[in-house]
Amino acid sequence: QKEVGQNSGPLSVPEGAIASLNCTYSDRGSQSFFWYRQYSGKSPELIMFIYSNGDKEDGRFTAQLNKASQYVSLLIRDSQPSDSATYLCAVSGGFKTIFGAGTRLFVKA
Amino acid sequence: EAGVTQFPSHSVIEKGQTVTLRCDPISGHDNLYWYRRVMGKEIKFLLHFVKESKQDESGMPNNRFLAERTGGTYSTLKVQPAELEDSGVYFCASSGQGALNTEAFFGQGTRLTVV
Repeated sequence: QKEVGQNSGPLSVPEGAIASLNCTYSDRGSQSFFWYRQYSGKSPELIMFIYSNGDKEDGRFTAQLNKASQYVSLLIRDSQPSDSATYLCAVSGGFKTIFGAGTRLFVKA
Repeated sequence: EAGVTQFPSHSVIEKGQTVTLRCDPISGHDNLYWYRRVMGKEIKFLLHFVKESKQDESGMPNNRFLAERTGGTYSTLKVQPAELEDSGVYFCASSGQGALNTEAFFGQGTRLTVV
């Protein structure tokens, strides 16, 4: 059974702080890793994807992948109240994408 | 370019009735996925089409669910007869070809309420 693990939270951080979201996965054959953001009542929106070990930065977002330890993380710098949402980690070993349960993030103004 | 569209956005039906959800993927996307999010639970994979063929339907909960994708374009997901536990948000997603090009673009979802 391939699994993707996330802490459901909620994770609460003050405005301007760094939010750190973590995700673990069980399938060592996984190749592609995605972070989706989902606002309440909306559909998931892709914000980052990473394929190679290391860090990938895009604006305030940094995705970190460690295949040896089988985890992927998302850092949000200078967190804003508008970042408050559920963040879904997704892992793909081919065509099928498996989602984690999501971590709820609250950014307090 | 239009994104993934789903219809209807919301459906309320009685237990035992039939409901058909529709998904129009992004034009040119061979891969089409159905997912479901039940209240308080994670998004669960239901099935995956490559063009008109079912690549993986391991997530379909039972034989009350039937998915089709005739002609490899839009897809329908029929629930017959619907049960209370089928309530949730049904998402459709599509992606292009290639193992590394699997970032899925989601539709807005269909919120199904079975009463």
